[in-house]
Amino acid sequence: GEDVEQSLFLSVREGDSSVINCTYTDSSSTYLYWYKQEPGAGLQLLTYIFSNMDMKQDQRLTVLLNKKDKHLSLRIADTQTGDSAIYFCAERGVAGANNLFFGTGTRLTVIP
Amino acid sequence: KAGVTQTPRYLIKTRGQQVTLSCSPISGHRSVSWYQQTPGQGLQFLFEYFSETQRNKGNFPGRFSGRQFSNSRSEMNVSTLELGDSALYLCASRPPSAYEQYFGPGTRLTVT
Repeated sequence: GEDVEQSLFLSVREGDSSVINCTYTDSSSTYLYWYKQEPGAGLQLLTYIFSNMDMKQDQRLTVLLNKKDKHLSLRIADTQTGDSAIYFCAERGVAGANNLFFGTGTRLTVIP
Repeated sequence: KAGVTQTPRYLIKTRGQQVTLSCSPISGHRSVSWYQQTPGQGLQFLFEYFSETQRNKGNFPGRFSGRQFSNSRSEMNVSTLELGDSALYLCASRPPSAYEQYFGPGTRLTVT
């Protein structure tokens, strides 16, 4: 089955860039997603990338996809204290199915 | 446009009871998926409904069931509650012909 892995914790200083990494195992994944979860809240979709793309940029967010290594990363430029949250990487699995497989989440702490 | 709404937001039940959770998708979205989030198992897919039909089901016991109504609203039911069913239950809806999923705030279920 699909297996998505992330490191558990990341700390950065306010104003620096954050890079959150994710590896996945299903080479047939078509879409990969990044979600943000703040305490007591649901998941907020940040961005997603189709598997035939290498990069996608959306304001302060840059997603890089290395399909050969099955590696996905999310870069947050000029990280702010409001970016402190848990970030989940997810993959959409088998074509025709819409269920998402999530990583364990990376807790990002931004130090003022 | 209003987001995905879930009711109730919090629920406390006793072992052996049953519970029904409700989800209203974003207007125009016909696909609704349910996920369970626990500290131990992370985010796991329960099932997906589209046009009142269950399209896909995760690896959960038969005590977990769901349904979708003609207005796309969905309910999930858990019978014979166990302590391990304590979790945040998240509902997500998907736009037509698209692959991103938008999540609601979740229902936090506590089983005592």
